[in-house]
Amino acid sequence: GAGVSQSPSNKVTEKGKDVELRCDPISGHTALYWYRQSLGQGLEFLIYFQGNSAPDKSGLPSDRFSAERTGGSVSTLTIQRTQQEDSAVYLCASSPRPGTGVEQYFGPGTRLTVT
Amino acid sequence: AQSVTQPDIHITVSEGASLELRCNYSYGATPYLFWYVQSPGQGLQLLLKYFSGDTLVQGIKGFEAEFKRSQSSFNLRKPSVHWSDAAEYFCAVEGRDDKIIFGKGTRLHILP
Repeated sequence: GAGVSQSPSNKVTEKGKDVELRCDPISGHTALYWYRQSLGQGLEFLIYFQGNSAPDKSGLPSDRFSAERTGGSVSTLTIQRTQQEDSAVYLCASSPRPGTGVEQYFGPGTRLTVT
Repeated sequence: AQSVTQPDIHITVSEGASLELRCNYSYGATPYLFWYVQSPGQGLQLLLKYFSGDTLVQGIKGFEAEFKRSQSSFNLRKPSVHWSDAAEYFCAVEGRDDKIIFGKGTRLHILP
């Protein structure tokens, strides 16, 4: 079946512009996660959704970052007034039963470059 | 809050040699533990996981990991590495709050 998809795969934007990154999880997966992967920094947790609710937003680096999820499915990560330090690969993952040791399924990522 | 430490940023081994990648976690109870692999240009793939029972878990591609509660460790091992094992390896922990935290990763280099 279809896996987690993300779009766009690559995004180049100018400093100060807003960007939207999209994630389509696997159908039926209730949990959705966003991570940021920068060189040498591993996977930095950003936000987690259970259904449409985000019980944990603690990883969002600043108030320029926001995310929403609608219909328990698609999620959008928005970065306002992008800065060069926002350049990274943004990964989305979904899971059918969080908190039970069931693994996450990752998308291919969106590579964001802020010039 | 849980945390994960992978103390080795880079490891180099010769093809055919044994491998051990270290992972230490911090969590108040027994967590769920995972190892993922990210090959160049590829997404993250689950190698193995521990959530209860036998502390030695087997995964794909000939990897295994041992959960040691007393050491708060979940080290990944392989008896004989292949050139195709060159990749970045991530240890992860899931606490009861459903949040999954990853370590910074260990990049594995294989010498011919």
